[in-house]
Amino acid sequence: GENVEQHPSTLSVQEGDSAVIKCTYSDSASNYFPWYKQELGKRPQLIIDIRSNVGEKKDQRIAVTLNKTAKHFSLHITETQPEDSAVYFCAAPTGAGSYQLTFGKGTKLSVIP
Amino acid sequence: GAGVSQSPRYKVAKRGQDVALRCDPISGHVSLFWYQQALGQGPEFLTYFQNEAQLDKSGLPSDRFFAERPEGSVSTLKIQRTQQEDSAVYLCASSWGGQETQYFGPGTRLLVL
Repeated sequence: GENVEQHPSTLSVQEGDSAVIKCTYSDSASNYFPWYKQELGKRPQLIIDIRSNVGEKKDQRIAVTLNKTAKHFSLHITETQPEDSAVYFCAAPTGAGSYQLTFGKGTKLSVIP
Repeated sequence: GAGVSQSPRYKVAKRGQDVALRCDPISGHVSLFWYQQALGQGPEFLTYFQNEAQLDKSGLPSDRFFAERPEGSVSTLKIQRTQQEDSAVYLCASSWGGQETQYFGPGTRLLVL
């Protein structure tokens, strides 16, 4: 099955700085990589995803990069704001076309005003 | 439109009791997923439905766990003879199908005493 490793487990940044979270996956056939944000006591919400036919995707202050050769993908948040504070999860499917997602253990991001 | 809803939001059960957790997916979503999220961890896959068919139940931890979606919309996750290790947040997610975005419900927090 798929194995997803996520680092770091906690991250503190000053407001306005950038934050980077990295994930590695084991199944080279995986082709879809979503990122979810979960605030305390709330539901996970998709913030961005990338498919294996592109290397980078941006949405305003958020970007995701994918390196298929190295089997890792990263979330980049620029100009961080206090409301970005949350737990972020990466995920990967168990193989190409699979619906079953394996999640990383999460990164708790704290943005210090 | 309305998102994924779950009920109850909180459930306290005595060890040995049976519980039933309900999920109302987004209208028209073909795929429905159940996940278990332990404290400080990412969601872990339990089971998957495509319409009323349960196509994958490989993540169910024991035969005490049972899920159904008889009419292809609302789903129920039932846990029989609850144990303390069943304490977790149970998340439901739905999607249009396949590797489309999974939208999560708010979860049911189960505490087994």
